[in-house]
Amino acid sequence: GNSVTQMEGPVTLSEEAFLTINCTYTATGYPSLFWYVQYPGEGLQLLLKATKADDKGSNKGFEATYRKETTSFHLEKGSVQVSDSAVYFCALKKASSYKLIFGSGTRLLVRP
Amino acid sequence: EAGVVQSPRYKIIEKKQPVAFWCNPISGHNTLYWYRQNLGQGPELLIRYENEEAVDDSQLPKDRFSAERLKGVDSTLKIQPAELGDSAVYLCASSFWLRQGSSYNEQFFGPGTRLTVL
Repeated sequence: GNSVTQMEGPVTLSEEAFLTINCTYTATGYPSLFWYVQYPGEGLQLLLKATKADDKGSNKGFEATYRKETTSFHLEKGSVQVSDSAVYFCALKKASSYKLIFGSGTRLLVRP
Repeated sequence: EAGVVQSPRYKIIEKKQPVAFWCNPISGHNTLYWYRQNLGQGPELLIRYENEEAVDDSQLPKDRFSAERLKGVDSTLKIQPAELGDSAVYLCASSFWLRQGSSYNEQFFGPGTRLTVL
């Protein structure tokens, strides 16, 4: 079946450090891939997405590249801020479907 | 523009009691979703509405869970009776879904209702 696997957290970094959160997926065909962010006390917000192989999604300094050969969609940011502290969810959606399949989330804690 | 509104934000009940959650989607969104998010997990879809119609309720435990969206706008999710394992965050999301084509229609999430069953 379709599934998403994320690295376990928490990930603790100092401000301005480089961030990588790993995400791999299992799916048939060519799903769309997403990163959502959940700040404390808030709902999930779409951070970025990619709809086909080699696409790079980017937003707010975050980037992720759709790698079909490694079935991965790792999230990266060159310099994290305290305000980036949140839980990050990787998700996939099959083509022509509405159903989002989420990973278990990775908590990021950025210290000043 | 107002986002997805959910209430209450927190609810603590004893097992076997009933509980209800309310959701008001973004104005103009025809599609509404209820998700359950267990601690340390990602959200899982419970039910999806297109207007008033529940088009996917395959993951809704129908023995104790029910939902309605009578006028195709706001929605209520009910649990009766609640069990200890129902403790979770219940998220509502909405989108404007076009039946034709396969383009993604972004789902906008509310802040959720955190349910604790004692």
